[in-house]
Amino acid sequence: AQSVTQLDSQVPVFEEAPVELRCNYSSSVSVYLFWYVQYPNQGLQLLLKYLSGSTLVESINGFEAEFNKSQTSFHLRKPSVHISDTAEYFCAVLSGSYIPTFGRGTSLIVHP
Amino acid sequence: DGGITQSPKYLFRKEGQNVTLSCEQNLNHDAMYWYRQDPGQGLRLIYYSQIVNDFQKGDIAEGYSVSREKKESFPLTVTSAQKNPTAFYLCASSMKSGVAFFGQGTRLTVV
Repeated sequence: AQSVTQLDSQVPVFEEAPVELRCNYSSSVSVYLFWYVQYPNQGLQLLLKYLSGSTLVESINGFEAEFNKSQTSFHLRKPSVHISDTAEYFCAVLSGSYIPTFGRGTSLIVHP
Repeated sequence: DGGITQSPKYLFRKEGQNVTLSCEQNLNHDAMYWYRQDPGQGLRLIYYSQIVNDFQKGDIAEGYSVSREKKESFPLTVTSAQKNPTAFYLCASSMKSGVAFFGQGTRLTVV
């Protein structure tokens, strides 16, 4: 069985500050990992993904995540956030069952 | 443009009524999924289908039904047996072991 834990339900931060959204997973087999972003009343949009290869993956808008197999983590980071980054962020894992499992989400709130 | 379309965006249901949420994709994906989203609970899997004419229950299937007669379509019916249907419903599709793409969601409210 696979599962995902997002350790923080809400992360408040000031604009231009760095941020880290934490994600841990459990799976008995190799995994694919994803971060999605959701704006109010919209669907989820893929932010970045780890399928194989380099453990550090980046998005086009400055987010990055690092796959750490020994710590079973896939934390999302951004060195300087903007007001427009305010949204709900979901971590997801995909392994042997091929059914994506999502965490409960982290609400990122960026204050001016 | 390829994508996944959910309709309607907002839906109101009276007590004891069945309603059907539409989900269509033109991405040629084999797998399709329905998730329910409630505040603070993330996404919970209702049903999924990995091939036409076959579907499986997810974690919270009670009170819901689906069909998969065509590869492109995976409608969800919320039946009167679902006692607390007010939620945001998300449909997704993917290739096997691939990225899941989501529709824009349907917000269902019981009136």
